[in-house]
Amino acid sequence: AQSVSQHNHHVILSEAASLELGCNYSYGGTVNLFWYVQYPGQHLQLLLKYFSGDPLVKGIKGFEAEFIKSKFSFNLRKPSVQWSDTAEYFCAVNAYYGQNFVFGPGTRLSVLP
Amino acid sequence: EAGVTQFPSHSVIEKGQTVTLRCDPISGHDNLYWYRRVMGKEIKFLLHFVKESKQDESGMPNNRFLAERTGGTYSTLKVQPAELEDSGVYFCASSQGLGKPPDTANTGELFFGEGSRLTVL
Repeated sequence: AQSVSQHNHHVILSEAASLELGCNYSYGGTVNLFWYVQYPGQHLQLLLKYFSGDPLVKGIKGFEAEFIKSKFSFNLRKPSVQWSDTAEYFCAVNAYYGQNFVFGPGTRLSVLP
Repeated sequence: EAGVTQFPSHSVIEKGQTVTLRCDPISGHDNLYWYRRVMGKEIKFLLHFVKESKQDESGMPNNRFLAERTGGTYSTLKVQPAELEDSGVYFCASSQGLGKPPDTANTGELFFGEGSRLTVL
């Protein structure tokens, strides 16, 4: 069975600090990888996704993630966070397009102004 | 284009009562998923419809939960009778039909509703 782990439960940063949120998954086959974000009071929305090709993918709002197959990782990064990035971030995996998505437990990011 | 809508946004019921949650997916999306998040823990899969058929219901916790998707459009999730541990946020998500990227018509993305918060007292 697939599983997804996220390294941090809660991350607190000051504005302009760099961000890296860890995500590891367990599945031996080909996967599609996603990062979703939930801003306070809003629904989950897609930040970025990886299906194939360049392992460094860029998403909205200056976020990027790198797929490292040998490490089963898909870490999320942003060079300089803003207060508006305060949200909860979820890494997700699915083994085949259209099939079940497995989510990580989420990482809460608090950015201090 | 309308997004995924869920109703009610919040429901408070007593243990033993029945609640029905509704999800309207994005028009044309064949895949419809139900997920649940309990007490700030991980988002757990409940089940997956492809059109009106249950593709995977391995995440349904027990037979108190019944999901339907008549006609392959909207879906309902009924909890009967509700127990305290059923409290949480129930998310619905939809995605387009089976197909493989990079077909731009199939983004592989799940579109989520805002969730229905269920509180069982």
